[in-house]
Amino acid sequence: AAGVIQSPRHLIKEKRETATLKCYPIPRHDTVYWYQQGPGQDPQFLISFYEKMQSDKGSIPDRFSAQQFSDYHSELNMSSLELGDSALYFCASSSDRDNYGYTFGSGTRLTVV
Amino acid sequence: GENVEQHPSTLSVQEGDSAVIKCTYSDSASNYFPWYKQELGKGPQLIIDIRSNVGEKKDQRIAVTLNKTAKHFSLHITETQPEDSAVYFCAASLMDTGRRALTFGSGTRLQVQP
Repeated sequence: AAGVIQSPRHLIKEKRETATLKCYPIPRHDTVYWYQQGPGQDPQFLISFYEKMQSDKGSIPDRFSAQQFSDYHSELNMSSLELGDSALYFCASSSDRDNYGYTFGSGTRLTVV
Repeated sequence: GENVEQHPSTLSVQEGDSAVIKCTYSDSASNYFPWYKQELGKGPQLIIDIRSNVGEKKDQRIAVTLNKTAKHFSLHITETQPEDSAVYFCAASLMDTGRRALTFGSGTRLQVQP
């Protein structure tokens, strides 16, 4: 079965650079969520989109932005990167047809040096 | 907002024994309680979930119980196997048309000793 696809799997950036993470949800899933997971920590919700509109907002820094496109894929744009942004970034998708159950991608490991 | 507490933070059991992980939540409106297993370098994988209109759900060796009055829910793994070793997260959310996000517990590192 198709899963949530994230790219890239690994990304190394320098401080103050920008990064773009991509997420391709499960086909026909209409909601996408972004989470950040620091080392040894639980995933922290950043932002979500439903039918291409922002639906919920968590602890996303102002330096980050995200959007969902017409094909339902989503991109997380991160600017002015800081060392503390180094983390695993997960995307998840869901649909009310699947009783809202989340499916997570394998994540993007971002390292800021 | 929702706050989820999870205990214990680490749990070591012998192969074949049972493991129990407990979570409490703060928002009485929450109605969806999933459990995730996360292996090193991988994304969280849904292993079982329960909704507020159900008190217990079982899937082979895994079961989840929910006590809405006390606002706590638990994961039970029976006949543990070494491949059950991972970090387990509970989560809570209000699932409605607003597509609310999950609030996770802090995780339990389960180690099953062969």
